[in-house]
Amino acid sequence: GAVVSQHPSRVICKSGTSVKIECRSLDFQATTMFWYRQFPKQSLMLMATSNEGSKATYEQGVEKDKFLINHASLTLSTLTVTSAHPEDSSFYICSARETRQGEAFFGQGTRLTVV
Amino acid sequence: QKEVEQNSGPLSVPEGAIASLNCTYSDRGSQSFFWYRQYSGKSPELIMSIYSNGDKEDGRFTAQLNKASQYVSLLIRDSQPSDSATYLCAVKHNSGYALNFGKGTSLLVTP
Repeated sequence: GAVVSQHPSRVICKSGTSVKIECRSLDFQATTMFWYRQFPKQSLMLMATSNEGSKATYEQGVEKDKFLINHASLTLSTLTVTSAHPEDSSFYICSARETRQGEAFFGQGTRLTVV
Repeated sequence: QKEVEQNSGPLSVPEGAIASLNCTYSDRGSQSFFWYRQYSGKSPELIMSIYSNGDKEDGRFTAQLNKASQYVSLLIRDSQPSDSATYLCAVKHNSGYALNFGKGTSLLVTP
């Protein structure tokens, strides 16, 4: 399967600071990238969908000013958690798809802990 | 609300047995169906995709789809302890971009 690389895998930050997570498709051009959040023993919850060169589409209840998404190229999308709070601590996972009907492949995930 | 339902388990099967994982979905417009495996603390890994009614086999895995019943299942033959994980069912509407995930079924294969 295709390779999606997510970095960092683990980050601890202080409350009030911002954290940037990168998601790269290594061997294909991702027309669409997705950002998910997963709390312990819960399923993946879609946060937003981003298409290269356009603004991200956020799911209901997700604050777009808090979770900034930039899909600057066909191989890179970033998620910035701004003014992080302890309740933002979660497992953030990106996913990328080459074509609209194709399979989606996941990055390794980022474990964010806000202290 | 487009829902994907899975029994959370845990489903416990002995090594060598067949594990049967089930999933139902509410959106009749769904066209693409996926099974992902997720180990604790890791991101999901794609196991199978299925798009048309019937069975699709890949090694020890068989996905089954019945669109009339809005039902998709995953069979794991000759289950191994390394198959112990959470299995996520994911569904995509034909006009949509994102996958809609179920909460996952926890599978435990005992030696």
